[in-house]
Amino acid sequence: GAVVSQHPSWVICKSGTSVKIECRSLDFQATTMFWYRQFPKQSLMLMATSNEGSKATYEQGVEKDKFLINHASLTLSTLTVTSAHPEDSSFYICSARGMDTGELFFGEGSRLTVL
Amino acid sequence: GENVEQHPSTLSVQEGDSAVIKCTYSDSASNYFPWYKQELGKRPQLIIDIRSNVGEKKDQRIAVTLNKTAKHFSLHITETQPEDSAVYFCAASIFQGGKLIFGQGTELSVKP
Repeated sequence: GAVVSQHPSWVICKSGTSVKIECRSLDFQATTMFWYRQFPKQSLMLMATSNEGSKATYEQGVEKDKFLINHASLTLSTLTVTSAHPEDSSFYICSARGMDTGELFFGEGSRLTVL
Repeated sequence: GENVEQHPSTLSVQEGDSAVIKCTYSDSASNYFPWYKQELGKRPQLIIDIRSNVGEKKDQRIAVTLNKTAKHFSLHITETQPEDSAVYFCAASIFQGGKLIFGQGTELSVKP
């Protein structure tokens, strides 16, 4: 089956630094990727929709200047958490839509801890 | 925008019993309703899905029903096993592959 890989799987950083998370579709092309955030024991909250070659569409309440999304190729989208603070600590999960089937495939998630 | 409500938040059953999780959605334009199983610290796994032109779908011990008029859909797990223990999420989308709006999740515990 289709594979979506996220890197890093976990990261610890100091408050005020920026962290980049990568989401790659390994064996298929994805024109659209979605980024979700999941706090402990909570649901997945959609942050933004990332389309290859264009600006991301952010959900209401998500700061686009804080969560920078870049989808520069058909196999890679990146999420950069800028000036991270402890309240940004969360599980970040991407999903990618296959061009041919329209199915969604989830990455394994990236756990961010901001000290 | 779309809002998905899921109940119950926790569910404990005895091994072999059935488990039912219910969801309601608000956007009548939604046409695709997947269910995901998520184990702690892992990615969500699609277990079954249903489209709005179908009222019921079954896959072995798992079934999903949809009442589009009432905007309700439910997950039914029969003959539960301890390995069914996980958090289950319903979701809604306008089309398969579109952005998913998730319910709050149900933590299912199956006691041996």
